Amino acid sequence: GDSVTQTEGLVTLTEGLPVMLNCTYQSTYSPFLFWYVQHLNEAPKLLLKSFTDNKRPEHQGFHATLHKSSSSFHLQKSSAQLSDSALYYCALSPNSNNRIFFGDGTQLVVKP
Amino acid sequence: EAAVTQSPRSKVAVTGGKVTLSCHQTNNHDYMYWYRQDTGHGLRLIHYSYVADSTEKGDIPDGYKASRPSQENFSLILELASLSQTAVYFCASSGLFQDTQYFGPGTRLLVL
Repeated sequence: GDSVTQTEGLVTLTEGLPVMLNCTYQSTYSPFLFWYVQHLNEAPKLLLKSFTDNKRPEHQGFHATLHKSSSSFHLQKSSAQLSDSALYYCALSPNSNNRIFFGDGTQLVVKP
Repeated sequence: EAAVTQSPRSKVAVTGGKVTLSCHQTNNHDYMYWYRQDTGHGLRLIHYSYVADSTEKGDIPDGYKASRPSQENFSLILELASLSQTAVYFCASSGLFQDTQYFGPGTRLLVL
């Protein structure tokens, strides 16, 4: 079946250090992968979406690379900011099922 | 910018009572979804729909019904509310299931 695994429930960083949030997936078909971000008391919103042509999506300093060989779509940023503190969801959309699958989320806390 | 609205934004309900949560989108999207969010469980899919007058069960449909009377409107119904249904509920819409999901602001439901 289709599923997404985010191994870290909580990641705590000091401002200025690099960010890497892990996401691995299982899917029968070649899926689209997403990262959604949810700030405190707000709704989730799209941060990144994988491209079909293997380009690396980037937004607000974040980027993610889809590695089909390792079934991964890790989220990275070179330097964490206090405003990056939020809940991050990795999600998968297979080419079937009419729905997407969310991981359990990773809470990122950036400290001064 | 896609627009999804939810009503009410918060509600206090009594155990055993009926609760209806409403969602309205002006995006001309075919796909609509209901999620619940609990601390430690991330987003869990309750029901979804890809065409008016038809709904599909998600991962946790027990205790919930859904209704899609038109493309724009999608309701979530708790016939007999229970304490365990206290959560934040998000509605979302997308043009295709592989596309970006646009979330409403959420409804905080407290069942006493």
